[in-house]
Amino acid sequence: GAVVSQHPSRVICKSGTSVKIECRSLDFQATTMFWYRQFPKQSLMLMATSNEGSKATYEQGVEKDKFLINHASLTLSTLTVTSAHPEDSSFYICSARAWTGANYGYTFGSGTRLTVV
Amino acid sequence: AQSVTQLDSHVSVSEGTPVLLRCNYSSSYSPSLFWYVQHPNKGLQLLLKYTSAATLVKGINGFEAEFKKSETSFHLTKPSAHMSDAAEYFCVVSSGEYGNKLVFGAGTILRVKS
Repeated sequence: GAVVSQHPSRVICKSGTSVKIECRSLDFQATTMFWYRQFPKQSLMLMATSNEGSKATYEQGVEKDKFLINHASLTLSTLTVTSAHPEDSSFYICSARAWTGANYGYTFGSGTRLTVV
Repeated sequence: AQSVTQLDSHVSVSEGTPVLLRCNYSSSYSPSLFWYVQHPNKGLQLLLKYTSAATLVKGINGFEAEFKKSETSFHLTKPSAHMSDAAEYFCVVSSGEYGNKLVFGAGTILRVKS
């Protein structure tokens, strides 16, 4: 089945530094990937939609200059949290979408636990 | 607009007893509906999905869900709970005419008692 690899699984960084999270589709091409944020004991909130070769579409309230998304190839999207602060600490999950021939299928990465100290 | 309501934030069952996790949806289009499971600090695993074919959908690990249009429901069931089923479950509806985005319910935490 479709597999999405998300790396790193955990990262601790100092305030003011930047962190890059990678999301790779291993055995399929994904023209669209999604980035979610999940606060403790809450559901997933869509941050942005990443389209290969074009600018990402951000949801309302998400700072595009803080959460930089690059989708340079059909198998890789990256999320960079710039100038991280403790309030950015969260669980980030990516999802890759592929057309199955009849509808869309979504495959999720295993998530990244970001802690900013 | 599409939305999902998971009626219970927590469900507790004894091992070996049936599981019922409730989900109601609203959608402007013929919806695609999903159930995902998330174990602590892990990503999401697809349990099953409904995409306008059979209304009773069978998934992995013995789970199934029935799409009821008249009730706008997509409840998840399992005849006999196992300890390994303890996790958080999300009901999800695809948004837009071509399912461009996923809209998540708030989640239901399932606890299985021995």
